[in-house]
Amino acid sequence: EAGVAQSPRYKIIEKRQSVAFWCNPISGHATLYWYQQILGQGPKLLIQFQNNGVVDDSQLPKDRFSAERLKGVDSTLKIQPAKLEDSAVYLCASSLEQGNSPLHFGNGTRLTVT
Amino acid sequence: DQQVKQNSPSLSVQEGRISILNCDYTNSMFDYFLWYKKYPAEGPTFLISISSIKDKNEDGRFTVFLNKSAKHLSLHIVPSQPGDSAVYFCVGTGNQFYFGTGTSLTVIP
Repeated sequence: EAGVAQSPRYKIIEKRQSVAFWCNPISGHATLYWYQQILGQGPKLLIQFQNNGVVDDSQLPKDRFSAERLKGVDSTLKIQPAKLEDSAVYLCASSLEQGNSPLHFGNGTRLTVT
Repeated sequence: DQQVKQNSPSLSVQEGRISILNCDYTNSMFDYFLWYKKYPAEGPTFLISISSIKDKNEDGRFTVFLNKSAKHLSLHIVPSQPGDSAVYFCVGTGNQFYFGTGTSLTVIP
């Protein structure tokens, strides 16, 4: 079974620039998550999709962050404009269904905002 | 609001000995708890879980204990191996997954 694919692995941008991350979940996984992990902290949920619908985006800073999963498979997360405090690892995860199904994570994108 | 707390940022153990990683939580509505393991530059991987109605779950060298009255769980690894060196996250699940801050385990050969 192929795992969760994320790209790019690393990105360095200046503040106020925009950036986009891409995620391809495990085939057949209906639920997709984006997490932000700041150094020294645990992953924090940004947004959760069930197929192509948003289940929870309560912790997504919507003034600068947006995410979509148009066909219920791949997803993109965008930040525009970026701030210094957005420097973090952005992790995509998928699960077979909502609830307590274990999350399968990609290797993440490490974003550095200078 | 940190609903899952891992108060020990790091732990060092000799190879062959027992590693005990601790976790406290505040949300009594969590219905499952999971442990994830993370190597550098990789995403977290699922290790073991326990339902809130159980007090112990064992899988090979890994055992998770849950004390609901104390809102405390622990992960025991025995015997510890150098390949177990990683960051371990405790997770509580309700409407979403809540991660602790992680404990970095180093197993010394």
